[in-house]
Amino acid sequence: GAGVSQSPRYKVAKRGQDVALRCDPISGHVSLFWYQQALGQGPEFLTYFQNEAQLDKSGLPSDRFFAERPEGSVSTLKIQRTQQEDSAVYLCASSLPGPLGNEQFFGPGTRLTVL
Amino acid sequence: AQRVTQPEKLLSVFKGAPVELKCNYSYSGSPELFWYVQYSRQRLQLLLRHISRESIKGFTADLNKGETSFHLKKPFAQEEDSAMYYCALRNTGANSKLTFGKGITLSVRP
Repeated sequence: GAGVSQSPRYKVAKRGQDVALRCDPISGHVSLFWYQQALGQGPEFLTYFQNEAQLDKSGLPSDRFFAERPEGSVSTLKIQRTQQEDSAVYLCASSLPGPLGNEQFFGPGTRLTVL
Repeated sequence: AQRVTQPEKLLSVFKGAPVELKCNYSYSGSPELFWYVQYSRQRLQLLLRHISRESIKGFTADLNKGETSFHLKKPFAQEEDSAMYYCALRNTGANSKLTFGKGITLSVRP
């Protein structure tokens, strides 16, 4: 079956523009994660959903970042008034729930460049 | 706060040479440790996890709680092992976030 998909794959924005990044998780995966990966760094956690509930948003760097998953499947990460420091690859991952935790499957990422 | 340290950015070896990719962590509880790999033009994927205690593609990693390390090893490197490798940590028993190291590029020369 299809893995996690993300769109767009590449996004160029002018400073101050709003952007929306989409993630389609694997069907049946109730857990969804967003990570930010700056150049030369490892992925850093942004936020986590279980179904439609956003259970952890401790990694969102500012109130310009907002994520939603209204029907418990597709998720959108929105960045308002983009800044140059927002330039990064944004990764989405999904997994099944479980008491021991489960493997997170990653999407290909969206590379955001803010000019 | 939990932290994962990968002290080296690049490791370059010849085909057939042994490989050890270092990973150290700091965490107050009992973590789960993982190695993820990203081959050129591919997405990040799980290579192995310490609770499985298995060998994947010839790679093994042992969790050393005394030294808080989870080094990845392979006795004989292959060219197809060339990739970016990330060590990661997660709270035990929770479907929660991964904390990644900065990653290391492994280059295996013919």
